[in-house]
Amino acid sequence: EPEVTQTPSHQVTQMGQEVILRCVPISNHLYFYWYRQILGQKVEFLVSFYNNEISEKSEIFDDQFSVERPDGSNFTLKIRSTKLEDSAMYFCASSEGGTGGDEKLFFGSGTQLSVL
Amino acid sequence: LAKTTQPISMDSYEGQEVNITCSHNNIATNDYITWYQQFPSQGPRFIIQGYKTKVTNEVASLFIPADRKSSTLSLPRVSLSDTAVYYCLVGPTGNTGGFKTIFGAGTRLFVKA
Repeated sequence: EPEVTQTPSHQVTQMGQEVILRCVPISNHLYFYWYRQILGQKVEFLVSFYNNEISEKSEIFDDQFSVERPDGSNFTLKIRSTKLEDSAMYFCASSEGGTGGDEKLFFGSGTQLSVL
Repeated sequence: LAKTTQPISMDSYEGQEVNITCSHNNIATNDYITWYQQFPSQGPRFIIQGYKTKVTNEVASLFIPADRKSSTLSLPRVSLSDTAVYYCLVGPTGNTGGFKTIFGAGTRLFVKA
């Protein structure tokens, strides 16, 4: 079964450093997403991406965050200057369709980001 | 954006059928109902989706009454490995449709031996 892959599985960084989280969505999917989950809390929407532009973003997704699809397969999340509160599990997801309300999101196994 | 309400937690025993009900009183005409499962330290996994009546797959059944203001996820004969958080989502959401799937707190199901 095709799956979303994320690298690295764990990332440790110092506060103020830039990090890039990488994802390879399922190959025929057109819609891409980033979510995060702070330990013990709910899954929070960050951003959705379609046709090489952001479709929706949450209030969490401020100027410190950016997303990019640098080539035909990768989808990245960049945090420019990490803060302690950015420590969380970051999930990438993709879906085949996104406009009918019946889309099914497929999630990767996540990148655990620890900011020290 | 249709708000969903589901129990915070549920306990069950192996072999039992588990029913988790989700309320979504302000569901819109074009909204679908989707359930996801999440194990610790893993991403959510799609379980089942429906619009009305009953949907069944190899994992679960989804019952949706005619007014669509609630839905019930039914897990037949649960095992210890079904211990997870179960999320009920209603959408589409966002300005252009299903680009902003929002997760609530979910229901923590704990299956005991």
